Amino acid sequence: GESVGLHLPTLSVQEGDNSIINCAYSNSASDYFIWYKQESGKGPQFIIDIRSNMDKRQGQRVTVLLNKTVKHLSLQIAATQPGDSAVYFCAENGGNKLVFGAGTILRVKS
Amino acid sequence: ETGVTQTPRHLVMGMTNKKSLKCEQHLGHNAMYWYKQSAKKPLELMFVYSLEERVENNSVPSRFSPECPNSSHLFLHLHTLQPEDSALYLCASSSVGSWMNTEAFFGQGTRLTVV
Repeated sequence: GESVGLHLPTLSVQEGDNSIINCAYSNSASDYFIWYKQESGKGPQFIIDIRSNMDKRQGQRVTVLLNKTVKHLSLQIAATQPGDSAVYFCAENGGNKLVFGAGTILRVKS
Repeated sequence: ETGVTQTPRHLVMGMTNKKSLKCEQHLGHNAMYWYKQSAKKPLELMFVYSLEERVENNSVPSRFSPECPNSSHLFLHLHTLQPEDSALYLCASSSVGSWMNTEAFFGQGTRLTVV
C-alpha cells in the first residue's frame, strides 16, 4: 500500500544554520509532492511543491529536492529562524487524495 | 486565512451526544477531505469527496458520517463517540483531475474533546 514516512521525528538546529528535513515515499506512481508546515494550534500550511518531472524547486529560503530513483524527498530551509519552528509534513498526491508522512518537529535554538 | 473555514473551532461533547462539524470553501476546488490528527500521530485521512462523490472511506467507524451536499461544503456528523476520538479534525480542499493536481488548503481545524 501507499506510505509516506519521515526519517527523523525531531530536528534541532541553531538559528542561522540550514535545516534539512527528509521524507521517503513508497508509491512510485505519485507525481506530485508537497511540503506543509504546521504551527501549534493551526492547520497545515503549504510551503512548496514539486512535480515528478522536476528534481529541484526553489522558493524563498526553501528548496525541495526530489529523487525518484530512491523515492526520497527533502526540504531544505536556509538560515533557519525561530519562526521556522513547527512540524513539517511531506505529502504525496496521486490521483484524488493526499497521503501524509508522520511529520518532523523542527526546533530552532537561539 | 486559507480560504477553508471550519466551525466550530472547539467542541466538547458527551459520548451520547450528536454533533456536526462543518467545513466550507469558496476556492473553486472540486475535492474535499477530512483528516484526523491525534497527538503525536500522523495525519490520518478519513474521507475524500471528489466532485461531490465519496471516493475514499479509510476504514472509519460508522459513528463518523460525512456529508457533502455540494462542492463548497463538507460536514462530519458525529454520534456516540468514544474518548479516544478526541483529536483535531482538519478539513482540506484541493483541485484534482487527470490533468493536474494542486496542493490542498487546510482549515484551522476543530479541536474535539469527548467526555
